[in-house]
Amino acid sequence: ILNVEQSPQSLHVQEGDSTNFTCSFPSSNFYALHWYRWETAKSPEALFVMTLNGDEKKKGRISATLNTKEGYSYLYIKGSQPEDSATYLCAPNRDDKIIFGKGTRLHILP
Amino acid sequence: DTGVSQDPRHKITKRGQNVTFRCDPISEHNRLYWYRQTLGQGPEFLTYFQNEAQLEKSRLLSDRFSAERPKGSFSTLEIQRTEQGDSAMYLCASNSEGLTATNEKLFFGSGTQLSVL
Repeated sequence: ILNVEQSPQSLHVQEGDSTNFTCSFPSSNFYALHWYRWETAKSPEALFVMTLNGDEKKKGRISATLNTKEGYSYLYIKGSQPEDSATYLCAPNRDDKIIFGKGTRLHILP
Repeated sequence: DTGVSQDPRHKITKRGQNVTFRCDPISEHNRLYWYRQTLGQGPEFLTYFQNEAQLEKSRLLSDRFSAERPKGSFSTLEIQRTEQGDSAMYLCASNSEGLTATNEKLFFGSGTQLSVL
C-alpha cells in the first residue's frame, strides 16, 4: 500500500497572503508526482505532473517542487485569492495508477 | 472536447438496492479509471480499463462492485445490494496514454454522489 501524507489537513489563509503545504510519499519505485486542485461542485483538475528530482513547476501564482530521494513535494501559492479556495490533492504514481493523499483543504478569508 | 461526463450527478437509494453509474470519457481516450471518495479521505482507486480490458481491480473492493467498458468507450459501475458504507462520491477519469507516459495526467468527471439510506 502506498502511504501518502499531506499536511496540513486544513488551512485558513488571509487573502493576499502566501502559503504552502506538504506532500510526503515513499521514495522507492517512484515514477511521477501529480498535484490536483478540486473545487467544490467541480471536477478535480490537474495542476502539475512532476517526474524529475529537483524539478520545480509554476502555473501563475502556484508553484511546486519535488524531492524524489527523500519523498516529498511542496506546493506554494503566492498572494492567495478567493478562487484558490479548494482541496489540493497530491498523488504519486507507480505502475499505471495514481494514489491520492487525503488532501489539504484551503480556505481563503476575505 | 466535451470533457469527461458522468451520469447521474446524484443518486439516492435504499439499502439493498442495485445502482449503476455511467461514465463517458473524453473521445479517443484509451484509459478509464474509477475512484471513490468518502468524507475526509482522498479519492480511492477502484479499477481501470485499457480500451475494453479491465486491467486491475482494487483488492479492497467488494464483489458487489463490478465495472464494464464493453466497447472501449463509455463505462458503467454497478453496485449490487448497496450498503450505507457505499455512500460516497464516485469519480471517473480518463487519459490517452496511461500514466507511465511522460507528463500524462488524468481528466476527471464531476462525479456521481451516492447516498444509501
